[in-house]
Amino acid sequence: SQQGEEDPQALSIQEGENATMNCSYKTSINNLQWYRQNSGRGLVHLILIRSNEREKHSGRLRVTLDTSKKSSSLLITASRAADTASYFCATEAAGNKLTFGGGTRVLVKP
Amino acid sequence: NAGVTQTPKFRVLKTGQSMTLLCAQDMNHEYMYWYRQDPGMGLRLIHYSVGEGTTAKGEVPDGYNVSRLKKQNFLLGLESAAPSQTSVYFCASSIRGAWGNIQYFGAGTRLSVL
Repeated sequence: SQQGEEDPQALSIQEGENATMNCSYKTSINNLQWYRQNSGRGLVHLILIRSNEREKHSGRLRVTLDTSKKSSSLLITASRAADTASYFCATEAAGNKLTFGGGTRVLVKP
Repeated sequence: NAGVTQTPKFRVLKTGQSMTLLCAQDMNHEYMYWYRQDPGMGLRLIHYSVGEGTTAKGEVPDGYNVSRLKKQNFLLGLESAAPSQTSVYFCASSIRGAWGNIQYFGAGTRLSVL
């Protein structure tokens, strides 16, 4: 079963626009992470937000976490064609494992 | 600096055949993981290891076996392949820090079982 569920499943935007995707989860977590997967490649870690944090920035990425609603959002500002990829949230609860959501496919059109 | 390397990259098997997927990491990570990824789905954990000589079952372990004889290698075996095991397999490794469990992934192995 998936802990995280991303919304929307797919997103198409123009270069320069912002892209926002959401992740909802079911159980208490220690942290939530976002990963990017380019077509035919492995996942690459983007950003981690701890359960006691509400917002975090890294370059053009902004992540928010609302533990009361069990949800997170990833915002990519000023998108580029190179941002075209699938984005996955992953939650870490107790133990050494991550549970991944189904992903959001983002297409940035030039 | 190779990171996580998976071999082979592609493989086609017939039902009932066996094979072993190899994952090697050069980052001296303690933890290693095998996932499968199916269309439209996220990654599902098959087996994982928290150190040399240890393995544990993940979410979907049936039909797979693993071994971690050396710290840098994690092998995934299919004893009798089935069409339901057609998937893309990813290996990952991590070192647990105070910040959490950040995983580093290989490029994947695309397996088709006919």
